[in-house]
Amino acid sequence: DVLMTQTPVSLPVSLGGQVSISCRSSQSLVHSDGNTYLHWYLQKPGQSPQLLIYRVSNRFSGVPDRFSGSGSGTDFTLKISRVEPEDLGVYYCLQSTHFPYTFGAGTKLELK
Amino acid sequence: EVQLQESGPGLVKPSQSLSLTCSVTGYSITSNYWGWIRKFPGNKMEWMGYISYSGSTSYNPSLKSRISITRDTSKNQFFLQLNSVTTEDTATYYCVYGYKGDYWGQGVMVTVSS
Repeated sequence: DVLMTQTPVSLPVSLGGQVSISCRSSQSLVHSDGNTYLHWYLQKPGQSPQLLIYRVSNRFSGVPDRFSGSGSGTDFTLKISRVEPEDLGVYYCLQSTHFPYTFGAGTKLELK
Repeated sequence: EVQLQESGPGLVKPSQSLSLTCSVTGYSITSNYWGWIRKFPGNKMEWMGYISYSGSTSYNPSLKSRISITRDTSKNQFFLQLNSVTTEDTATYYCVYGYKGDYWGQGVMVTVSS
């Protein structure tokens, strides 16, 4: 299985600040169709996970442009700028290039 | 907008089968992909499997001998069955729409305990 190494585990932030979360895969996530199936989710306290970014850098419907995704191959980053209270929670990356799909271990974004 | 709702028992005895239903509104399950993901105590998430628009299935090999995902298109529902459960199957189970988890149900917490 593809191992997704997500760092950091915990990320203290001040409101209005900017943070980055890293997700590294144990093998390239470039699919044979040329796409890279790396996605990001946020699980807010008491809620289900919600899709933020799909295929590395595409914001899902309704996701503010404060969220941006980048990366290629095995190295990916989620950036959150101007952090707001509703951004707090646990962030996950997921790869759906290789079977079985695998998640990162999660990064908890919390207030300093 | 597609909405998903899981239902099923919250407590299952070891060695028995876990059966969950996902009821879908706003979109036909004869289109796209429909899956199950679980979150263990702590933060670990596991993709379990999916059923496609055609009814074909794909399962996580770690579960292959125990898992079955089926559907009832007349009711726009799909189902998860996990056999021979142990305490390690205690988790919150989510049904999801799309291969990238575009939308998730609210989740159902299932505890395996005697």
